[in-house]
Amino acid sequence: GAVVSQHPSWVICKSGTSVKIECRSLDFQATTMFWYRQFPKQSLMLMATSNEGSKATYEQGVEKDKFLINHASLTLSTLTVTSAHPEDSSFYICSATRTLQSQYGYTFGSGTRLTVV
Amino acid sequence: DAKTTQPTSMDCAEGRAANLPCNHSTISGNEYVYWYRQIHSQGPQYIIHGLKNNETNEMASLIITEDRKSSTLILPHATLRDTAVYYCIVSNFGNEKLTFGTGTRLTIIP
Repeated sequence: GAVVSQHPSWVICKSGTSVKIECRSLDFQATTMFWYRQFPKQSLMLMATSNEGSKATYEQGVEKDKFLINHASLTLSTLTVTSAHPEDSSFYICSATRTLQSQYGYTFGSGTRLTVV
Repeated sequence: DAKTTQPTSMDCAEGRAANLPCNHSTISGNEYVYWYRQIHSQGPQYIIHGLKNNETNEMASLIITEDRKSSTLILPHATLRDTAVYYCIVSNFGNEKLTFGTGTRLTIIP
């Protein structure tokens, strides 16, 4: 089955520093990856759509200069939270899809819990 | 993407069938119905999806009404590990993004 690995699973960082989160598709090529953010007791909110080899498409209200997304290969997308602040503390989740194979749907990573202190 | 409506919460006795409804009255002809669940502090897990026919896999069954305006996810023999938030989503397949609603918090009671 399709597996998406997300790393790290949790991270604590100081305010003002940057944090990189990796999302890898382990056994398939993902032309598109999605990044979500989830605050406690809330649903997942889509932040951006990442296509291999092109610039990410950000949802309204998401700062592209703060949340840098790179999708340099068909198996890896990264999200960098730059100059993190306590309000960026959240659960970040990636998702990947392979096109033209409807039986697999969308596969999600296990999430990264970011705490900014 | 079409909007979905789900009950906020449901309880189900362990060992019984859990039936989770979803309304998607504005679904378009090429949109699939997806079901995912999220156990606390984990990423969403794919359960099942369908277009217009009923579907069954090792986890669940998906019943879609003939007019496709609603569907029901059935967990045939619920266990305590099925306690989770269940999300019903409609979307075109492919690179289309998945938009999550509030979902149904299903609690399996011993």
